[in-house]
Amino acid sequence: SQQGEEDPQALSIQEGENATMNCSYKTSINNLQWYRQNSGRGLVHLILIRSNEREKHSGRLRVTLDTSKKSSSLLITASRAADTASYFCATDARSGAGSYQLTFGKGTKLSVIP
Amino acid sequence: SQTIHQWPATLVQPVGSPLSLECTVEGTSNPNLYWYRQAAGRGLQLLFYSVGIGQISSEVPQNLSASRPQDRQFILSSKKLLLSDSGFYLCAWSAGQGGYNEQFFGPGTRLTVL
Repeated sequence: SQQGEEDPQALSIQEGENATMNCSYKTSINNLQWYRQNSGRGLVHLILIRSNEREKHSGRLRVTLDTSKKSSSLLITASRAADTASYFCATDARSGAGSYQLTFGKGTKLSVIP
Repeated sequence: SQTIHQWPATLVQPVGSPLSLECTVEGTSNPNLYWYRQAAGRGLQLLFYSVGIGQISSEVPQNLSASRPQDRQFILSSKKLLLSDSGFYLCAWSAGQGGYNEQFFGPGTRLTVL
């Protein structure tokens, strides 16, 4: 089963508004990552937050992580039409030495209306 | 800098025909390599990953296979395609041991089986 589940499945906002997407997961993790995918393209890594971090910023992106609730959120501030894409969370549930797999959620499809 | 190539970009194949998708990475050594499949509007399903030449781990039983004949080359194959093999195939790489397993994706191959 999917480790990460994004919520909502789809989100439509006006340009300039903030967009918030949530991700829940089931097992303990080492880190959680957010990726972006434009339609018909590969995924692009946005930001990684480690399990001992609670918040991280990168430009207009803000990610929070609550390991007690097994959840994360991605906030995009002052959205632009170019932010229209699908956003995925992915968890790295490494145990022991070495970790080779990420488990991806189904994604949130964000539409930013000009 | 590192780059990842996938080809072809699109492919239409009849049921029962063979398949060969190729992925190559430049600018890094000993990468971990991954093949994913993404059904329309869905998340990513990990098919295979490889931590070294000739080392392949399969995540989902199916009629697909993978090979890694060279350090930076990863090939996805099938002897006989099924209708259910249609989808968007993504290759990705991540740094070997010591990294946080951020993954970098190729542009993808859209496969339609008719």
